[in-house]
Amino acid sequence: DVKVTQSSRYLVKRTGEKVFLECVQDMDHENMFWYRQDPGLGLRLIYFSYDVKMKEKGDIPEGYSVSREKKERFSLILESASTNQTSMYLCASSPLGEGHHTDTQYFGPGTRLTVL
Amino acid sequence: LAKTTQPISMDSYEGQEVNITCSHNNIATNDYITWYQQFPSQGPRFIIQGYKTKVTNEVASLFIPADRKSSTLSLPRVSLSDTAVYYCLVAFNQAGTALIFGKGTTLSVSS
Repeated sequence: DVKVTQSSRYLVKRTGEKVFLECVQDMDHENMFWYRQDPGLGLRLIYFSYDVKMKEKGDIPEGYSVSREKKERFSLILESASTNQTSMYLCASSPLGEGHHTDTQYFGPGTRLTVL
Repeated sequence: LAKTTQPISMDSYEGQEVNITCSHNNIATNDYITWYQQFPSQGPRFIIQGYKTKVTNEVASLFIPADRKSSTLSLPRVSLSDTAVYYCLVAFNQAGTALIFGKGTTLSVSS
């Protein structure tokens, strides 16, 4: 059974803090994704990675960076948290498949981040 | 402009068939259309995926016309447990950098 875990379910940080959100998958998937989810806006892609040390910007990368040093782990970094980054953050992974970007993604439970 | 459009909400009664349509005018040539279901406090989970025509599995059907500019998720005989948010996911370029979820359709099923 595919499992994607995220380091925290709830997180409260202060403006200007550096924030790390960690995601680990146990299915040896090549692809990993970070999304944020906001009411009325659905899920928006922040960054994704097709391989170790590789990353691609998604729709809304501003204010975020990522790190993928190991295949199973994908970290989202908020260099200086701001109140408009208060959101639900969802991590996902998918197998390489046949190179289709919409191959089935498996999601973690999400981290609800509040920036005060 | 890469964009998907779905209805914000739908209401239904138990036992009815529900059809949710997603429009995606500029879908990438080689990519699939995928639908996800999300319950409160959980991440989305895969329901069904297709490229063209019709796909059916044990929980849903997916209808995709020849021009692939839209797709319709069909849930047969819904139950109360089908109350959830449903998202379509489409890639709009070959690099996958425009991987766009719809804003989601909240389906409410009543008895």
